[in-house]
Amino acid sequence: KAGVTQTPRYLIKTRGQQVTLSCSPISGHRSVSWYQQTPGQGLQFLFEYFSETQRNKGNFPGRFSGRQFSNSRSEMNVSTLELGDSALYLCASSFKKGQTKTAAEAFFGQGTRLTVV
Amino acid sequence: AQSVTQLGSHVSVSEGALVLLRCNYSSSVPPYLFWYVQYPNQGLQLLLKYTSAATLVKGINGFEAEFKKSETSFHLTKPSAHMSDAAEYFCAVTGVGGSQGNLIFGKGTKLSVKP
Repeated sequence: KAGVTQTPRYLIKTRGQQVTLSCSPISGHRSVSWYQQTPGQGLQFLFEYFSETQRNKGNFPGRFSGRQFSNSRSEMNVSTLELGDSALYLCASSFKKGQTKTAAEAFFGQGTRLTVV
Repeated sequence: AQSVTQLGSHVSVSEGALVLLRCNYSSSVPPYLFWYVQYPNQGLQLLLKYTSAATLVKGINGFEAEFKKSETSFHLTKPSAHMSDAAEYFCAVTGVGGSQGNLIFGKGTKLSVKP
């Protein structure tokens, strides 16, 4: 079974631009979550999608948005990039049945390293 | 709100020595707890998880952790360190209520293993 695939692996953008990152979950997984990892703030939750609906959102500005498609693939977008957005963005997928509260195991991709210059 | 504290951002042990990485959590409800490992330029890999079954949880690569409610701790141990254990380790707890789908991570502990 293929793992979580994130593309691209590395990205360099200029301040003020926008960027879109992609995540393909493990086949059969309908839940996709996104995290930002920086040396200063560590790992921070961005948002979670389940069956094309955003279920949870972390404490990030509106410049950060995401969506999920009917095939469970997800994208996150960051508009008007700032230097502080430089980070490793990790996507995780898990298998969840509907709205259960079970803590299903999250499988992480290798991440997209975004550098804003 | 839930939170996780990992004591020690860097831990160094000799090969063959005991590994002990500390994690304390704060939660107003019974938590689910996890340990993840991250190698350089990689994503996170689940080592083990506690989901209210047995308090002593065994994971991959010889790691185990014990859930102690009275101490609100979930420390990670391994009897004998191997060079390949050098990595960064993260303790995480699930959110509550509507945020069941997200993980709250500690700041991480970087483990170095000396030959």
